[in-house]
Amino acid sequence: AQTVTQSQPEMSVQEAETVTLSCTYDTSESDYYLFWYKQPPSRQMILVIRQEAYKQQNATENRFSVNFQKAAKSFSLKISDSQLGDAAMYFCAYRSMWGNTGKLIFGQGTTLQVKP
Amino acid sequence: KAGVTQTPRYLIKTRGQQVTLSCSPISGHRSVSWYQQTPGQGLQFLFEYFSETQRNKGNFPGRFSGRQFSNSRSEMNVSTLELGDSALYLCASIGGQGISGANVLTFGAGSRLTVL
Repeated sequence: AQTVTQSQPEMSVQEAETVTLSCTYDTSESDYYLFWYKQPPSRQMILVIRQEAYKQQNATENRFSVNFQKAAKSFSLKISDSQLGDAAMYFCAYRSMWGNTGKLIFGQGTTLQVKP
Repeated sequence: KAGVTQTPRYLIKTRGQQVTLSCSPISGHRSVSWYQQTPGQGLQFLFEYFSETQRNKGNFPGRFSGRQFSNSRSEMNVSTLELGDSALYLCASIGGQGISGANVLTFGAGSRLTVL
């Protein structure tokens, strides 16, 4: 069975600075997707970024980028130029590429605080 | 384009009662997944429906059930409520081109269930 681990329950960053959230996962599959979701206090889960395991290039979405290390089974999220609106809980998630389309396996989450 | 709509947003029940939650996916999405979110267990997959058929099921007791209608709207039901069923129940629909051009789960705002 696949597992996802986020070892940082809480992180804080100063506004305009950069922060990196860690995620490791375990799987025997070779093809899969990895995601970072953001959940602000409103509780709405918002997709931040996704990565396909077969792609070597790290995904980037504006201020958000990932460091995907397939061999190490590591998938960290870097937030550059942090903004107050980035404060939220961040979840790392895994999904198999074949079948189980709607099944995500989530990590425990990291609460990010952004200080003005 | 309307997002994923979940109703009701908040509800309070007592032990032993049953509850039905509703989820309307994004127009054109045929797959709906349900998740339970609690502080202790985090985000856990309940089940997924596609074209009115349950495609996958998580590790929950039989008190948790669901169904999907021909218009892709989905309901989940929890019978004989227990205190531990207090949680945020999230629904996600799947489809579209997402950030990187492949299937992406889009979540609703959730239904917050409190069992007294």
